[in-house]
Amino acid sequence: ETGVTQTPRHLVMGMTNKKSLKCEQHLGHNAMYWYKQSAKKPLELMFVYSLEERVENNSVPSRFSPECPNSSHLFLHLHTLQPEDSALYLCASSQDMTANDQPQHFGDGTRLSIL
Amino acid sequence: EDQVTQSPEALRLQEGESSSLNCSYTVSGLRGLFWYRQDPGKGPEFLFTLYSAGEEKEKERLKATLTKKESFLHITAPKPEDSATYLCAGSGGSYIPTFGRGTSLIVHP
Repeated sequence: ETGVTQTPRHLVMGMTNKKSLKCEQHLGHNAMYWYKQSAKKPLELMFVYSLEERVENNSVPSRFSPECPNSSHLFLHLHTLQPEDSALYLCASSQDMTANDQPQHFGDGTRLSIL
Repeated sequence: EDQVTQSPEALRLQEGESSSLNCSYTVSGLRGLFWYRQDPGKGPEFLFTLYSAGEEKEKERLKATLTKKESFLHITAPKPEDSATYLCAGSGGSYIPTFGRGTSLIVHP
């Protein structure tokens, strides 16, 4: 299997639920990212991990909690979400965070709906 | 603060009608200008990286060009399968790329 794989593809949850999104990359990359994509808005960077260490957190609410156990896997743990958190959550990887002349490779995202 | 602005927001073309998408950028110390294609329900798919003004890259009906202030994605004789949202992103000294809002392209048969 190649590329960036995200699971689940769709998730519907209540505001009091706890769930996790999973991302796995098979590209041998050292940097991984979580983005939020809402309609009519640019991609919003949430978290960046480089060699399993978090290096960027764009003032994301604490109800989103990332975890990067190794350079191939990235999780986004969700709890007590709000309706405005409904969006497409994209995972991406790149060769190295400092090699920013290299493109990011994206998964197909998790479509999250908060009831 | 780095900024990337794409225009138009939406574009409708007839099959075979060539056109261009614009990406204006202010990115400090630009190291790469990226174009992606995103189909509905999918993640962005990488198309091109441009590194310096004057550079051009081509893939099938698409050609990307770069100046010091903007990039264009030229679509020659488009087909319905070229319908998608096209995203532009610039990466510079901050390491993290800045994305535009995208141009939604619909090509009618």
